[in-house]
Amino acid sequence: QSALTQPASVSGSPGQSITISCTGTSSDVGGYNYVSWYQQHPGKAPKLMIYDVTNRPSGVSNRFSGSKSGTTASLTISGLQAEDEADYYCSSYTRISTYVFGTGTKVTVL
Amino acid sequence: QVQLVESGGGVVQPGRSLRLSCAASGFTFSNSAMHWVRQAPGKGLEWVAVVSYHGSNEYADSVKGRFTISRDNSENTLYLQMNSLRADDTAVYYCARQSSFPIKYYFDFWGQGTLVTVSS
Repeated sequence: QSALTQPASVSGSPGQSITISCTGTSSDVGGYNYVSWYQQHPGKAPKLMIYDVTNRPSGVSNRFSGSKSGTTASLTISGLQAEDEADYYCSSYTRISTYVFGTGTKVTVL
Repeated sequence: QVQLVESGGGVVQPGRSLRLSCAASGFTFSNSAMHWVRQAPGKGLEWVAVVSYHGSNEYADSVKGRFTISRDNSENTLYLQMNSLRADDTAVYYCARQSSFPIKYYFDFWGQGTLVTVSS
């Protein structure tokens, strides 16, 4: 049950687009279309941003989008805004019916 | 609206036990799988355990044999019994919902968390 691999930090200027990667194995990310992404502001609970690789829950800005290729999933934030500065975590269902999170990425808006 | 409220955290000595609770409201608790997810200070999220709507469960290797997840559908409450606690169990513990009807594979609602500190 090793954590999925994410870059520790990603930064961008307001209005730019950034992409966060999430690399797993064929037993998790690569084996299922059950990757989700969570945003967490300091001292707050995580918030669901993307589910089932590409889907956005109601109320989440369409500036957030997800994709997957092989064992790597990605979250793209377009039109970066100051409020997007937060930690982001990917998560995947696994072949042994458990879940695993990514190592987390701190997004900084320059 | 959906609410998840954790309680039971606190300071506990290594080797001792603690039981966390998560009171649920605003949805049909018995139709949802429920999870515990923890976050050590300054660290990332770690999935801990799940109990299905019908009571089956799975655990992370790091807590297997020491923690027990359970639920009381009549009280709309989720529990986490933590035994043989270690310093590396120190974390904020969140409960989170996973819809079972239809089945989903993500956590759509989270509580605000309860802090467990294991220290002598």
